[in-house]
This record gives sequence, C-alpha cells and structure tokens, in this order.
Amino acid sequence: AQSVSQHNHHVILSEAASLELGCNYSYGGTVNLFWYVQYPGQHLQLLLKYFSGDPLVKGIKGFEAEFIKSKFSFNLRKPSVQWSDTAEYFCAVNAPNFGNEKLTFGTGTRLTIIP
Amino acid sequence: DAGVTQSPTHLIKTRGQHVTLRCSPISGHKSVSWYQQVLGQGPQFIFQYYEKEERGRGNFPDRFSARQFPNYSSELNVNALLLGDSALYLCASSYPGRNTEAFFGQGTRLTVV
Repeated sequence: AQSVSQHNHHVILSEAASLELGCNYSYGGTVNLFWYVQYPGQHLQLLLKYFSGDPLVKGIKGFEAEFIKSKFSFNLRKPSVQWSDTAEYFCAVNAPNFGNEKLTFGTGTRLTIIP
Repeated sequence: DAGVTQSPTHLIKTRGQHVTLRCSPISGHKSVSWYQQVLGQGPQFIFQYYEKEERGRGNFPDRFSARQFPNYSSELNVNALLLGDSALYLCASSYPGRNTEAFFGQGTRLTVV
C-alpha cells in the first residue's frame, strides 16, 4: 500500500522568504508524483507533476519540486514566496496503472505568508 | 471550458438519512473518482469509475456506493449517515492513461447533525 508523509503541518513565512515543503512516500514500485494546492475557498489545483525523466520539475507560479528516488522524496520549493501563496499544499502519489488512478494524499501543509 | 462540476455545494442532513452527491466530469474525461476530505486532513480515496465500471475502492464501509452513467457523470450515495461522515466530498475526473492528472471539482460540503 502507498503512503505519503508531509512533515510540516503549518509553515509561517514572511514575503520573499524561500520555501521548502517536505514530502516522502512509501511504495515499492514506479510512481507518479504530484503537488496540489488548495487556496481558501477554492478547489484543488495541480501545481506540478512528475511522471518520468528530469527529476527537477517546474510547475506553475514559480514552484518546482525535485524527485529523489533514493530518498523516496518529492520536496516542493519556491525561491521567493508571495502573500498570495497562502494556501494548503498536498503531496500525492499514484501508481501508473491504466484505468486505476487512485491518488494517495499526504495530510497537507498549511502555508501562511505574512506581508 | 467547464471544469468538474459538483452539486450541491452544501448540504445538511440528519443522522440516519441518506444522501446523493453528483458530479459531472470535464468533457472527454471517462474516469471519475471520489474522495472524502475531513477537516485538517488530506483527501481519502473512496471510489474510482472508468467506463461505468468500478476500478478501485478505498477503505470505506458498504454504506458508501457510487455509479457512473453513460454520459460519464457520477453519483456518490451514502446511507445511514453518521456524524463522522461530515466532510468535503471531492470529485475528480481524468482522461485515463498510465500517466494522467486528475482535475478536481469544488466539492460538496456535507454536514451531518
């Protein structure tokens, strides 16, 4: 069974600070990895995804993530955060099986940016 | 383009009642999944349907059931509601494949009193 751990439950940063949110997964096979964001009152939106290839993935709004297979990690980074980045961030994983795209999510990290 | 739409957006039910939640996927998407998101936690997988067949089921009791219609829309039914069923219910659709991303709706906020 797959599992995802997000170590930071609530992160508070000032604007322009750098961000790194941790994500570790547990699964023995090939995985697809995702970061979703949930802004207050809005639906879950995909920030970025990793299927294969370059382990450094760039997403929307200046976010990036690095897949380190040996560490089973997929940490999210942003060099300089903005107040509008205040949101809940979820790491998720699934196995690349056709017709069965069950996502396993972490518990989420609440990010608060102080102006 | 219309995204994933869910109805209703909010719902209040009494313990013991049943509820039906509805989801319309993005046009062209044939796979629909349902998730439960309890406050302070990540979404938990309930069901996935592809081409009207159940392709996956999470660790939820038999009180939870779902189906997918020929137009790929879907319903989630929950019987004998418990207080613990209070949550945000999310629907996601995707174009099936080995490497595909899920698009989520706004969710239905269910409160059981």
